[in-house]
Amino acid sequence: DVKVTQSSRYLVKRTGEKVFLECVQDMDHENMFWYRQDPGLGLRLIYFSYDVKMKEKGDIPEGYSVSREKKERFSLILESASTNQTSMYLCASSRDRGGYSNQPQHFGDGTRLSIL
Amino acid sequence: RKEVEQDPGPFNVPEGATVAFNCTYSNSASQSFFWYRQDCRKEPKLLMSVYSSGNEDGRFTAQLNRASQYISLLIRDSKLSDSATYLCVVKTDSWGKLQFGAGTQVVVTP
Repeated sequence: DVKVTQSSRYLVKRTGEKVFLECVQDMDHENMFWYRQDPGLGLRLIYFSYDVKMKEKGDIPEGYSVSREKKERFSLILESASTNQTSMYLCASSRDRGGYSNQPQHFGDGTRLSIL
Repeated sequence: RKEVEQDPGPFNVPEGATVAFNCTYSNSASQSFFWYRQDCRKEPKLLMSVYSSGNEDGRFTAQLNRASQYISLLIRDSKLSDSATYLCVVKTDSWGKLQFGAGTQVVVTP
């Protein structure tokens, strides 16, 4: 089974802090993704990465950055946390790279982040 | 307009009954389709992929209608454990990026 591990299930931080969310996958997947999920809005893509040191903006990248120094690890960084970044953050990975292969994404357990 | 739209529900279903719901997508170039299941306060988990000819996995049947740009999920003989939010997911590019619907909530009652 694919295992995607997020570093924290629950996190409480203060406005203005720099926040790091870590994600590790054990299946040698090329693609990794960061989403946030808010009630009524569904999952929204923040950033994704197709390979080591590669990153692409998703639909809502403002206020976030990412780092992928190793294939198995994808970090999400909140440069200066704000209250509107309180949310559930989900990391996912998938195998496909190019083409329209039917490879799904596998998710971590999620991190519930509260910014006070 | 959202790329993937779903009826949020809830669909209240008696145990043992059949429930079906659809999802529409806006990008006609979409190539891959999935249904994910998400339990309350948990991560989404893949329920099934949706193939062009339609496919079945036990009590679950998925259909794709490219002409009308929708996919459907049918659950037969509903169990209490089927209570969850079902996310419609569409892949629109040749890489791994997915578009998620906001989900349809299903509540199976005794």
